Amino acid sequence: DAMVIQNPRYQVTQFGKPVTLSCSQTLNHNVMYWYQQKSSQAPKLLFHYYDKDFNNEADTPDNFQSRRPNTSFCFLDIRSPGLGDAAMYLCATSREDGSVYEQFFGPGTRLTVL
Amino acid sequence: RKEVEQDPGPFNVPEGATVAFNCTYSNSASQSFFWYRQDCRKEPKLLMSVYSSGNEDGRFTAQLNRASQYISLLIRDSKLSDSATYLCVVNKAGGYNKLIFGAGTRLAVHP
Repeated sequence: DAMVIQNPRYQVTQFGKPVTLSCSQTLNHNVMYWYQQKSSQAPKLLFHYYDKDFNNEADTPDNFQSRRPNTSFCFLDIRSPGLGDAAMYLCATSREDGSVYEQFFGPGTRLTVL
Repeated sequence: RKEVEQDPGPFNVPEGATVAFNCTYSNSASQSFFWYRQDCRKEPKLLMSVYSSGNEDGRFTAQLNRASQYISLLIRDSKLSDSATYLCVVNKAGGYNKLIFGAGTRLAVHP
């Protein structure tokens, strides 16, 4: 049973051409995250939603935006992808009630920028 | 200094070997600690949480030393299927379940 789903699994875009990655979850978790992971590096948190509240990391470039239209869906928009944005983009979810819980990851979208 | 530091490896070990990974973290206010496993080109998955008293799950044992801000993972009787990258993960104190990931330690188990 898929719990965190990401589409597409592979995305190829051209330099500067906007791209949207999508994430959906069946866990009804109130927190959703977007991470960027480059080869041999740690997943890097870009931003997260706590319910509808958007929380941007201080070092996330303005080129990256996100939308969460409802509990189940979250989107990552890259307005003008550069070659340095080629990476695996991971969506994760967790519940939040004051304790720290496991984050569940989707399979990721591997982005290639030509 | 990175918030979570790990030896990147790779650790190349034969089947049946015991292998230990170490991790240090910088924020003494962190309260929750985890080991995640990540297979090549796949997503991270929780291996085990790490408790102050130490905890064991089958062949895997995790230890936490708060005074030294040090976490360890011990794998006994290594299997070929244990080959993966092991990520040390620490919660960011004060955040909504924000986790800080180490870059991972790569393990390769050979026949």
